[in-house]
Amino acid sequence: GDSVTQMEGPVTLSEEAFLTINCTYTATGYPSLFWYVQYPGEGLQLLLKATKADDKGSNKGFEATYRKETTSFHLEKGSVQVSDSAVYFCALGPYSGGGADGLTFGKGTHLIIQP
Amino acid sequence: DAGVIQSPRHEVTEMGQEVTLRCKPISGHDYLFWYRQTMMRGLELLIYFNNNVPIDDSGMPEDRFSAKMPNASFSTLKIQPSEPRDSAVYFCASSSPGQRGLNEQFFGPGTRLTVL
Repeated sequence: GDSVTQMEGPVTLSEEAFLTINCTYTATGYPSLFWYVQYPGEGLQLLLKATKADDKGSNKGFEATYRKETTSFHLEKGSVQVSDSAVYFCALGPYSGGGADGLTFGKGTHLIIQP
Repeated sequence: DAGVIQSPRHEVTEMGQEVTLRCKPISGHDYLFWYRQTMMRGLELLIYFNNNVPIDDSGMPEDRFSAKMPNASFSTLKIQPSEPRDSAVYFCASSSPGQRGLNEQFFGPGTRLTVL
C-alpha cells in the first residue's frame, strides 16, 4: 500500500538557518503530494502541493519539488523564523481522475526554531 | 468561508460512555473525511464519504465506532462504548476534487477526546 516516510524530529535550528525536511513515498500510479503544517492546538493547514513530476510547490518561503525518480518531496526553506516552529506533515493523495481518497500521512516532523 | 467546523473542541468522558463528535464541512465540498491523530500511530484515516455516502470505512478500528452523514452539511462520528485507548485528536476534513481530481483537503481544528 501507499506510505510516506519523513525524518523524525524534533529538529532544532537557529533563526535564519537553512531548513530541509526529508520526505520519501511509496505509491502506485501518480499521486499528488502535499506538505501540511500544524501549529500547537490547531488543525492541519495546507502549506504547499505538487500534482506531477518536476512540479515545484511553494508558499511562505517554503519549497518542495516532486521528484519521481527518487520518489521524494523534500521541504526546504532558506531562512527560518521562530514563527515557523510547528509540526510538518508530508502526505500523498492518489490521483483518481475526478474522485478522491483519504490522504496518507507521514508521522510528522516537529520543528523548533530558537531565536 | 468559515472553513471546516468541528464540535466540541474538547471532550472528557468516562470509559463506557457514548461520545459523539460533529463536523460541518465547507459548503460545496462533496467529500468528507474523518481522521484520528495519536502520538503512537500518527494521522490515520478512519472513514470518508462522497455525496453523503460512505465510500471506505476500512480504517474504522472496530464496531464501537460509527459515522453518519445525513446531509451535505453535517456528519457525526460516534464511539459507543468509549475506552481509554480511544483518547486522541479527531479531525474532520473536506474536499472538492472536481474534474482535476486534486485531492486537496481542508481540515477542521479537531476534537481532543480524553476517555478516563
